[in-house]
Amino acid sequence: GAVVSQHPSRVICKSGTSVKIECRSLDFQATTMFWYRQFPKQSLMLMATSNEGSKATYEQGVEKDKFLINHASLTLSTLTVTSAHPEDSSFYICSALGAGGVPSYNSPLHFGNGTRLTVT
Amino acid sequence: AQKVTQAQTEISVVEKEDVTLDCVYETRDTTYYLFWYKQPPSGELVFLIRRNSFDEQNEISGRYSWNFQKSTSSFNFTITASQVVDSAVYFCALRTETSGSRLTFGEGTQLTVNP
Repeated sequence: GAVVSQHPSRVICKSGTSVKIECRSLDFQATTMFWYRQFPKQSLMLMATSNEGSKATYEQGVEKDKFLINHASLTLSTLTVTSAHPEDSSFYICSALGAGGVPSYNSPLHFGNGTRLTVT
Repeated sequence: AQKVTQAQTEISVVEKEDVTLDCVYETRDTTYYLFWYKQPPSGELVFLIRRNSFDEQNEISGRYSWNFQKSTSSFNFTITASQVVDSAVYFCALRTETSGSRLTFGEGTQLTVNP
């Protein structure tokens, strides 16, 4: 089946530094990738939608300059948390939409294993 | 707008008990998909089932079963003879024709199965 690899699985960084999280579709081309954020004991909140070769679409309230998303190829999207602060500590998870026609509500969606970010 | 409500925040049962997780959804679209995902403590999302709005047949997969009722906008999930390994957070989610490939999650239900 389709596999989405997310790296790193855990990262601890100091306040003020930047952290990059990678999301790769290993055996299929992902025209669209989604980035979610999950606080402890809460649901997944969509942060942004990224389409290959174009700028990401951010959800309301998500800072574009804080969370930089790049989707340079059909198999890789990256999320960079810039100048991280302790309040950015969270679980970040990506999902990738399988290719094969126009992305729509019935296209398959595959999730990575998530990245637990801790900012000290 | 789309919305998914999982009213049960936490459920605790003893092993071998049956347990039902409730999910109520809201959408004005007539075409949509409903999902259930399992999130164990390790964090990954495990896909359990996808059901489209035109298929109201209930489904059974081993100890898991799903009851989809459009009349009450519900898509409930039952685990029969629960096991400790079933302990996890379970999310119900919705995708609609209007929202395209975007997924709207419920708040999740923390299920704890005690030995």
